[in-house]
Amino acid sequence: DAGVTQSPTHLIKTRGQHVTLRCSPISGHKSVSWYQQVLGQGPQFIFQYYEKEERGRGNFPDRFSARQFPNYSSELNVNALLLGDSALYLCASSLDRTGANVLTFGAGSRLTVL
Amino acid sequence: AQSVTQLDSQVPVFEEAPVELRCNYSSSVSVYLFWYVQYPNQGLQLLLKYLSGSTLVKGINGFEAEFNKSQTSFHLRKPSVHISDTAEYFCAVRGYGQNFVFGPGTRLSVLP
Repeated sequence: DAGVTQSPTHLIKTRGQHVTLRCSPISGHKSVSWYQQVLGQGPQFIFQYYEKEERGRGNFPDRFSARQFPNYSSELNVNALLLGDSALYLCASSLDRTGANVLTFGAGSRLTVL
Repeated sequence: AQSVTQLDSQVPVFEEAPVELRCNYSSSVSVYLFWYVQYPNQGLQLLLKYLSGSTLVKGINGFEAEFNKSQTSFHLRKPSVHISDTAEYFCAVRGYGQNFVFGPGTRLSVLP
């Protein structure tokens, strides 16, 4: 079975641009979460989506948005990119949103903002 | 809200020696606890989890961790490390219905 897949794996943008990152969860998983991992730090929670609705949001500005599609895949959008947005963006899926379910992570999308 | 502290940012250890990576957490509610490992240029992989029951949990690659509620700790241990264990290790906590909170990570370097 395929794991969590993310695209693109690497991308370079300039300040002020917009970026869209994509994630396909493990088959049967209905919850998708997004994390930002700045170099040398632990992952920071951005969003959780479950059954196509936003179920949680971390402390990130409104430039960050996301959505989940009927097939449970998800997109993370970041507008007006800043240098500080450079990071590894991780998508994780789980069966549902209860605490006992573990997160299975994708390999991430590494964003560099110049 | 929950928080996680990993006091050791870097832990160097010689091959075949034992290792302990420390994790402490704070929470006002009951939590589930996890350890994840991240190899270079990869995502996070689950090592082990504590949900309930026995406080000593065993995971993959010979790792184990012990939940200590009174000390709010969940330290990770391995009796004999290998070069291939060199990676970043993250402790994480999750309250029921809440989101994962990760610690800052500990970089384990296994030396020959």
